[in-house]
Amino acid sequence: ETGVTQSPTHLIKTRGQQVTLRCSSQSGHNTVSWYQQALGQGPQFIFQYYREEENGRGNFPPRFSGLQFPNYSSELNVNALELDDSALYLCASSLGDLLQGTEAFFGQGTRLTVV
Amino acid sequence: GENVEQHPSTLSVQEGDSAVIKCTYSDSASNYFPWYKQELGKRPQLIIDIRSNVGEKKDQRIAVTLNKTAKHFSLHITETQPEDSAVYFCAASGGTSYGKLTFGQGTILTVHP
Repeated sequence: ETGVTQSPTHLIKTRGQQVTLRCSSQSGHNTVSWYQQALGQGPQFIFQYYREEENGRGNFPPRFSGLQFPNYSSELNVNALELDDSALYLCASSLGDLLQGTEAFFGQGTRLTVV
Repeated sequence: GENVEQHPSTLSVQEGDSAVIKCTYSDSASNYFPWYKQELGKRPQLIIDIRSNVGEKKDQRIAVTLNKTAKHFSLHITETQPEDSAVYFCAASGGTSYGKLTFGQGTILTVHP
């Protein structure tokens, strides 16, 4: 196991609602990235937090937002849920290096279903 | 931004055969290339990675090669076993998109006993 934990593991929400997903990073890691993985697709980068600051964002609308806390755990918030938001949401923990890519370890994911 | 293409999308081999999965990337500044294995309903698991200052890396039955000039990298699995069956993703990171992993579309590998 990676030491990266996510909660909840499964969630069902109604269109238009808001959701908060949580991630505890691996001990010693200061960077958390969030990914959306639709069925049969590769993970798509949502955004990354490095030492509590957003450090890069993918092609996702502003209703996707996040936080990183002093202990480096993180939250992903999604407002005004749409049916297409149904996916596996993965967080990845790493020891950030602003010059090069580094090993990233994934949590088990949160399966979000929007109905 | 970075774009990663992965081929083939599906790969079927007999137990004991070798399997090769190839990826190309677009950003010449990318410097870190991991490979992930994802079993059904589970998290992506890092199986091997390579940095741009290395041409090849091996770990038991798994190896990765990198050609920076051609901007492609490959995963080689030898002596495949049924438990190698999974979806494999390549990814690229670093350079102008440091910290962000751009994934390929995935390869469904099936190893038949």
